[in-house]
Amino acid sequence: AQTVTQSQPEMSVQEAETVTLSCTYDTSESNYYLFWYKQPPSRQMILVIRQEAYKQQNATENRFSVNFQKAAKSFSLKISDSQLGDTAMYFCAFMKRDGNQFYFGTGTSLTVIP
Amino acid sequence: DVKVTQSSRYLVKRTGEKVFLECVQDMDHENMFWYRQDPGLGLRLIYFSYDVKMKEKGDIPEGYSVSREKKERFSLILESASTNQTSMYLCASSLFQTRIHEQYFGPGTRLTVT
Repeated sequence: AQTVTQSQPEMSVQEAETVTLSCTYDTSESNYYLFWYKQPPSRQMILVIRQEAYKQQNATENRFSVNFQKAAKSFSLKISDSQLGDTAMYFCAFMKRDGNQFYFGTGTSLTVIP
Repeated sequence: DVKVTQSSRYLVKRTGEKVFLECVQDMDHENMFWYRQDPGLGLRLIYFSYDVKMKEKGDIPEGYSVSREKKERFSLILESASTNQTSMYLCASSLFQTRIHEQYFGPGTRLTVT
């Protein structure tokens, strides 16, 4: 079974600062995908960034980047130059490469303070 | 853009009622999913379907059933609603086993059972 752990239920960051959200996972699989999803207040969940486990290079999408440590089974999300619109619940998710089911963490509620 | 819609944003039902939650996607996705989202528990998979008339149990199927008569529509049924089914319900869809693997989410239905 796959498990995903987000140990920070709530975090806050000053506008324009950088924040890192933690995620660890447990799996015996060698090929898989990892995702960060964002759920703004009262709005739809959207994909922020994804990482393929066989790729060494960390994924980057504009102000969002990940630190993927496969041996440590760690997948943290770094948000640079935080903006008020980044205030949201963030979920880390895992999926086996040959599967269709996602496994989600419990989420981190991020508040960006003006 | 992929669009996943859910029939209601808010729903209030009485204990013992039969409840139908409807989800429709417009991108010809094979996979469709139903999750419930509770504070501190993250997203938990109730059921998913990878084809018309096909369904698989997720992690918490008890008290729920599903129906997929058409590819674009996936219904979640609470046969006899109970107060512990008060929750946010999220529908999602994705393509079947492609490199993309992203799940697209609907806006959610907040169900209250009184």
